Amino acid sequence: DQQVKQNSPSLSVQEGRISILNCDYTNSMFDYFLWYKKYPAEGPTFLISISSIKDKNEDGRFTVFLNKSAKHLSLHIVPSQPGDSAVYFCAASVRGAQKLVFGQGTRLTINP
Amino acid sequence: DAMVIQNPRYQVTQFGKPVTLSCSQTLNHNVMYWYQQKSSQAPKLLFHYYDKDFNNEADTPDNFQSRRPNTSFCFLDIRSPGLGDAAMYLCATSRDGTGGQPQHFGDGTRLSIL
Repeated sequence: DQQVKQNSPSLSVQEGRISILNCDYTNSMFDYFLWYKKYPAEGPTFLISISSIKDKNEDGRFTVFLNKSAKHLSLHIVPSQPGDSAVYFCAASVRGAQKLVFGQGTRLTINP
Repeated sequence: DAMVIQNPRYQVTQFGKPVTLSCSQTLNHNVMYWYQQKSSQAPKLLFHYYDKDFNNEADTPDNFQSRRPNTSFCFLDIRSPGLGDAAMYLCATSRDGTGGQPQHFGDGTRLSIL
């Protein structure tokens, strides 16, 4: 039972364009959603998060959108840069619990 | 810099030979987590400690155990590793784990089983 799903294993985007990574979830008890970025041979690093009471959060080139009715969130990166090439994980936290549920990740490749 | 450090980065062990992975943190966080990640899969939570309170996931095999002797250190013990236990093991910390607090990850230990 996979509660957080990232259906695209990979995505290729040209440098300077917008990258859109998608994530779907099934548990309506999730209260926060987080995005992590992972380079090879390194641990995941936190990128941006959003509370379930909001529908948008922005931090520089990164914006996360949340559509609760569709149980869907997306991460927008604009403009995309070569250093953005990495695996991106979507994660969600259950209200009152001390843990995250992760998606399988999407490998983003930014082409020059 | 405050950080989460995992040792060793690479560990090779024999089938059935016990192995211990270690994690230390300088963040003074209350919660420490152990995840198992296999190729192209989501990190899977094995267990976590809130301070000294141990929380095991229901589907974590008995073969996996953990110790947290103090705030800074946490260990993952695999009593009798099987071939299916070959994976990346990630340690993470969080201040108290609630309210969407991000977890801070170490760089992982890649475990190989011969």
